[in-house]
Amino acid sequence: QVQLVESGGGLVKPGGSLRLSCAASGFSFSDYSMSWIRQAPGKGLECVSYITSSGSTTHYADSVKGRFTVSRDNAKNSLYLQMNSLRVEDTAVYYCATTIGAPGTGALDVWGQGTTVTVSS
Amino acid sequence: IQMTQSPSSLSASVGDKVTITCRASQTISSYLNWYQKKPGKAPNLLIYGASSLQSGVPSRFSGSGSGTDFTLTISSLQPEDFATYYCQQTYSALEGTFGQGTKLEIK
Repeated sequence: QVQLVESGGGLVKPGGSLRLSCAASGFSFSDYSMSWIRQAPGKGLECVSYITSSGSTTHYADSVKGRFTVSRDNAKNSLYLQMNSLRVEDTAVYYCATTIGAPGTGALDVWGQGTTVTVSS
Repeated sequence: IQMTQSPSSLSASVGDKVTITCRASQTISSYLNWYQKKPGKAPNLLIYGASSLQSGVPSRFSGSGSGTDFTLTISSLQPEDFATYYCQQTYSALEGTFGQGTKLEIK
């Protein structure tokens, strides 16, 4: 079945780095753009990053621009988010997500279970 | 593109009809989606393209609108519907901006 599984979250000190991974299965990963969405404690959803199916185009929220880098390895069916210069305000549950059943709409109908990133000294 | 939801919170009873609104800062055609979020769970897509019901979502959920103003309606609240609801624009798919959320609580 269609599945996304995130990993790589954990506790890191301010200024530190972390790399999140998202393993895809059950669909042709290389055909679909992917997004990273986060939810900080007590806050709403924020689209952090987006990458097209080929990886040729990426986009970042202003809050992470210059610190986070999204990438993908279509041969390994995997999506990544390299997070550098982490701040306390980056503490959140991070989800990877994609659009499969509603093509052309951008609606995110497949989500991973989320991985928790905690930035604290 | 900024997305503004109202109200921020809402108290209602089982069986009530509830409407949540979402306004975009510029026209987004029908590129508007609605999600339900429960604590500890990933968001769940309810409505895409402003008014299309996602497969498996109960028919008591409906969406309408185009341009800048949109609504999510739950025709008869069920106990499992108490959650937080988010709109999202994908007119600018790169941004995928979410509204701030509407928390639906039991009265």
